[in-house]
Amino acid sequence: AQTVTQSQPEMSVQEAETVTLSCTYDTSESDYYLFWYKQPPSRQMILVIRQEAYKQQNATENRFSVNFQKAAKSFSLKISDSQLGDAAMYFCAIPGGTSYGKLTFGQGTILTVHP
Amino acid sequence: DTGVSQNPRHKITKRGQNVTFRCDPISEHNRLYWYRQTLGQGPEFLTYFQNEAQLEKSRLLSDRFSAERPKGSFSTLEIQRTEQGDSAMYLCASSAGTEAFFGQGTRLTVV
Repeated sequence: AQTVTQSQPEMSVQEAETVTLSCTYDTSESDYYLFWYKQPPSRQMILVIRQEAYKQQNATENRFSVNFQKAAKSFSLKISDSQLGDAAMYFCAIPGGTSYGKLTFGQGTILTVHP
Repeated sequence: DTGVSQNPRHKITKRGQNVTFRCDPISEHNRLYWYRQTLGQGPEFLTYFQNEAQLEKSRLLSDRFSAERPKGSFSTLEIQRTEQGDSAMYLCASSAGTEAFFGQGTRLTVV
């Protein structure tokens, strides 16, 4: 069984500053994806960034980047130049095998952005 | 096609009643997933379909829950004899590749 742990229930950041959200996971798969999803209040969940485990290079998407440590099973999300619109619940997730939509999610981290 | 659509957005029902939710996936997506999300928690997988075939059901999906996807298009999730513990957000997602696209969910309140 796969597990995902997000140990930070809440985080806050000043606008324009950088924040890092932590995630650890466990899986028996040898090749897998890892995802960060964002769920704004009362809005649908959207994919922020994905990482394929066999790729050593950390994924980046504009202001979002990950620090993927495969041996440590750690997958943190860094948000640079934080914006008010980044305020949301963030979930780390891992799919079950090749069914990429069958996800095991962490408990989530609520991110507050202060102006 | 503007994304995954779920109806209704909100549903209040009395304990013991049956409810049905609908999910319309993105049209070219062959996989469809149902999740349940309680307040302040991450979504939990319930079941998924590839086209019209229901390929997997979670142990969370008790015998009061049933899901269908006739003709591989929209899907319905029915809860029979609702209980207060069924109160949650029910999310639908669809995919054709490595990204799952989520709907806005149906919030169920059982009173």
